[in-house]
Amino acid sequence: DAGVTQTPRHEVAEKGQTIILKCEPVSGHNDLFWYRQTKIQGLELLSYFRSKSLMEDGGAFKDRFKAEMLNSSFSTLKIQPTEPKDSAVYLCASSFPGGPYEQYFGPGTRLTVL
Amino acid sequence: GQQVQQSPASLVLQEGENAELQCNFSTSLNSMQWFYQRPGGSLVSLFYNPSGTKHSGRLTSTTVIKERRSSLHISSSQTTDSGTYLCASDSGYNKLTFGKGTVLLVSP
Repeated sequence: DAGVTQTPRHEVAEKGQTIILKCEPVSGHNDLFWYRQTKIQGLELLSYFRSKSLMEDGGAFKDRFKAEMLNSSFSTLKIQPTEPKDSAVYLCASSFPGGPYEQYFGPGTRLTVL
Repeated sequence: GQQVQQSPASLVLQEGENAELQCNFSTSLNSMQWFYQRPGGSLVSLFYNPSGTKHSGRLTSTTVIKERRSSLHISSSQTTDSGTYLCASDSGYNKLTFGKGTVLLVSP
């Protein structure tokens, strides 16, 4: 079975640009998560979907970050407009909602905002 | 909200030595997970361990729910074990809260 896939693996953006990151969960997993990882803050939850419904919108990340679950097998994370402080690794994870709630992570997208 | 304390923050071992990594949680938890991450790599799930003890090769995870703690034991460490070990708790609704990690370096 294919694991979680994420594209692109690397993204370089100019300040103010709009970027879209993509994620495909493990087949059959209905829970999908977006995280951001930085050296200082560690791993932070951005968004959480269950069966395409948004369960968690990430609080402090709401204004410029928008995650969508277009169908059960595809999600996007849009950052608009980007700022240099958004430079980080963005990770997508999925799990089976019926339990056990073990989360499986994709390879991540490394975003650099200049 | 849940806070997760990992210790030690870093650890240096000689190949063949054992390691014990700890995680303590500030509130009750439904389950927890241990992950491994190489520099520049993604998170690889080592254990999903709601309670009790689980084994996988040279790794052992023990979670004691009522004491709000979990440990990861690595026996006979190898240089390929070097990397960051992260624990995360699920205190409800399948949302994970992560610790800051333990950076392990195993030298030959």
